[in-house]
Amino acid sequence: GENVEQHPSTLSVQEGDSAVIKCTYSDSASNYFPWYKQELGKRPQLIIDIRSNVGEKKDQRIAVTLNKTAKHFSLHITETQPEDSAVYFCAATDSWGKFQFGAGTQVVVTP
Amino acid sequence: DADVTQTPRNRITKTGKRIMLECSQTKGHDRMYWYRQDPGLGLRLIYYSFDVKDINKGEISDGYSVSRQAQAKFSLSLESAIPNQTALYFCATSDGGTGAYEQYFGPGTRLTVT
Repeated sequence: GENVEQHPSTLSVQEGDSAVIKCTYSDSASNYFPWYKQELGKRPQLIIDIRSNVGEKKDQRIAVTLNKTAKHFSLHITETQPEDSAVYFCAATDSWGKFQFGAGTQVVVTP
Repeated sequence: DADVTQTPRNRITKTGKRIMLECSQTKGHDRMYWYRQDPGLGLRLIYYSFDVKDINKGEISDGYSVSRQAQAKFSLSLESAIPNQTALYFCATSDGGTGAYEQYFGPGTRLTVT
């Protein structure tokens, strides 16, 4: 089955700096890679996703890159703000839509 | 997202008790999932269902069972609760068809087994 590893487990950044979270996956058949943000006490919510036929996708201050050959994908947050503080989860899916989540990254943005 | 609801939101129960967590959705999605969240372990899949007649085990199904009563309802049962089942439980839904789609999560149920 799929195995997803996520690093780092915690990330502290100064407001305005960039944050990068990296994930690797094991199943070469995985074709959908979502990123979820979970604020304290809230449910996970999708912030950006990418499919295997695309190498990069951007949405304002966030971007995701995918390297299928190396089987890794990354989340990039630029110009971080205090409201970016949360736990971020990556996931990889098989063709049926079953997700395997990474263990999560706690991001803390300090003013 | 009010379209996926879970009841109860919090529950404290004793070891050995049977407990049911319920999930309802108004999104019209065929696919429903139950996850468990523990600190440092992310979200782990317990069971999933791709339609009313389809039930599949996830990676941590031991000690749990599910029922898909209708397209909109998917219940998770702990037959005999034990303390290491203390966790945050999420229900999620997604669209059907081929391929993978965004999953929408319910608000979660915090379960404590004493």
